[in-house]
Parts: sequence; C-alpha cells; structure tokens
Amino acid sequence: DVKVTQSSRYLVKRTGEKVFLECVQDMDHENMFWYRQDPGLGLRLIYFSYDVKMKEKGDIPEGYSVSREKKERFSLILESASTNQTSMYLCASSFFRGYEQYFGPGTRLTVT
Amino acid sequence: DAKTTQPPSMDCAEGRAANLPCNHSTISGNEYVYWYRQIHSQGPQYIIHGLKNNETNEMASLIITEDRKSSTLILPHATLRDTAVYYCIVLLNSGYALNFGKGTSLLVTP
Repeated sequence: DVKVTQSSRYLVKRTGEKVFLECVQDMDHENMFWYRQDPGLGLRLIYFSYDVKMKEKGDIPEGYSVSREKKERFSLILESASTNQTSMYLCASSFFRGYEQYFGPGTRLTVT
Repeated sequence: DAKTTQPPSMDCAEGRAANLPCNHSTISGNEYVYWYRQIHSQGPQYIIHGLKNNETNEMASLIITEDRKSSTLILPHATLRDTAVYYCIVLLNSGYALNFGKGTSLLVTP
C-alpha cells in the first residue's frame, strides 16, 4: 500500500514564526503536492513538484514556499506565519501526471 | 478541466447499494472521471477512475454513460464506515491538480 506520512497531525504556531511541514512518501512517486482545505472552499492546490528540485505554483502559492531535495520528501514552508494560514494542510503524491493521488492524514495548523 | 455537479447529500441504509451520481456534461474526450472520498478528519482517499468503460475494483464500481456526460459510483454493500464526502473529479490524462468541488455527503444509517 502507498503510504504518505506528514510530520505532525496538529501544530500550533505564533504569528511571524517560520513553519515547516514535512511530507514523506514511500512509493517512489514522481509527483508530490501540497493542498490546504478550508470549510466552504474545498481543497486548493498550493504547490506541486514533478521531480527533485522542481516545483510549480498552484492556485494559492502566496505566503508559501516548498523544497524537494529528495524524491520521497516534500516540504512546505511558511516563511512568516499569519492567522489566515490557519488551515488543514494535506500532502499527496502520484506516480505520474494524470495518475491517482494518494493523500497523507493532514496537518491541522493553528496560527495564533 | 470540466466542471462536475453532484447532489449535496444522500442517505443509504447499511447493507444496501449506494449509488452516487455525477454530471459532467462538458467533459472532453481525453478527460478521465475520478472518484475520491474523505472521511471526517482524514485525508482524501482514491476510490476508482475511468475513461469510457465501466470499471470495478475491490471498493466500488464506476458506471459511465455512453455519451460520457454523467457517471455513477456504486458502493455495492454500504457499511457505516462508508459515511464520507464523495468527490467526482474530471482530469486530463496530462493534468496535475484535482479540483475537488463540494462533493456529496453520504450518510450510511444502521
């Protein structure tokens, strides 16, 4: 079974802090994704990566950056956390473009 | 990517078949139909996908109409653990991002 793990299930940070969210997949997938999910807005794509060190902006990249130094690991970075970044963050991976995506359990981030 | 329309909610008795409809009347020839579900407080879970033929796996069956403008996800014997939000998504075979929309909230009752 594909396994996508995320570093934390719950995280509380203060405004202005730098926040790292880590995601690891164990199936040698090419693509990895970061989404955020908010009530009434559904899932929105922040960034995705189609290869090591390669990244593409999604629909809402502002305030976020990403890093993919190894194939299995994709990090989401909030350079200076703000309260409007309080959300559920979901990581996903897929073998190739157009293939099904497998999701991690999510990290519920609260910024106070 | 084509837009989909799903009913906001449905109920199903435990043990009965759950049939979840999806309308995707603007789907193009190279777009696949994907189904995911999200159980409360968990990440979305892939269920099944298809292009034009009906598909079946250990979780569900997918019936796509001949004109491809609509599809139905069938859970043959629904259990309480199938209570979730079900999302129908169309995606180009060269596409990346999934547009989840609002989905159908399925409640399976004892």
